[in-house]
Amino acid sequence: KNEVEQSPQNLTAQEGEFITINCSYSVGISALHWLQQHPGGGIVSLFMLSSGKKKHGRLIATINIQEKHSSLHITASHPRDSAVYICAVTVVLRSNYQLIWGAGTKLIIKP
Amino acid sequence: SQTIHQWPATLVQPVGSPLSLECTVEGTSNPNLYWYRQAAGRGLQLLFYSVGIGQISSEVPQNLSASRPQDRQFILSSKKLLLSDSGFYLCAWSVGLYEQYFGPGTRLTVT
Repeated sequence: KNEVEQSPQNLTAQEGEFITINCSYSVGISALHWLQQHPGGGIVSLFMLSSGKKKHGRLIATINIQEKHSSLHITASHPRDSAVYICAVTVVLRSNYQLIWGAGTKLIIKP
Repeated sequence: SQTIHQWPATLVQPVGSPLSLECTVEGTSNPNLYWYRQAAGRGLQLLFYSVGIGQISSEVPQNLSASRPQDRQFILSSKKLLLSDSGFYLCAWSVGLYEQYFGPGTRLTVT
């Protein structure tokens, strides 16, 4: 079992729909990250969370430390939101901070 | 400001040939450096990390190796490539906690 699990693996939706991507983890973490990977491969950091909720524009990220679960929401989705969304957690490994990655959720927004 | 460079951007190499991918960071000192690989349809996998010159830790046994000859230079190498080495290779850096910043990546195809 992977230490970071994302669902769904693939998601196709119509423009304007409300999108939710889920992430569960099984290890003790220092922080959780949501990242966006575009088709060309470039990765952009969207959020870093250690508790509560953060909002950037149409993106909202929440985390429940007790339940070891996080969600990424996209409101009023748009075709330009199409990308792979990756959940990653920061853990301490051999006195250094490392990221453990989820497999990603491929999101396609149709116009 | 900090900048991370990776080259080449794309590479096609025959099985059994050597490999050298280079990553350099500007604008910061003594960063932690990381090499990740993303195989087709899979999540990012940590291959190597380095906390200083000449200090390399390997996370996954493979035919790849890494070196850090200078503070802000990280090199990924192989003496003989395998088909399974194909993928997208990302270099990243961090200073201290949490945030890792990613390079543009190298797409390697082994034929």
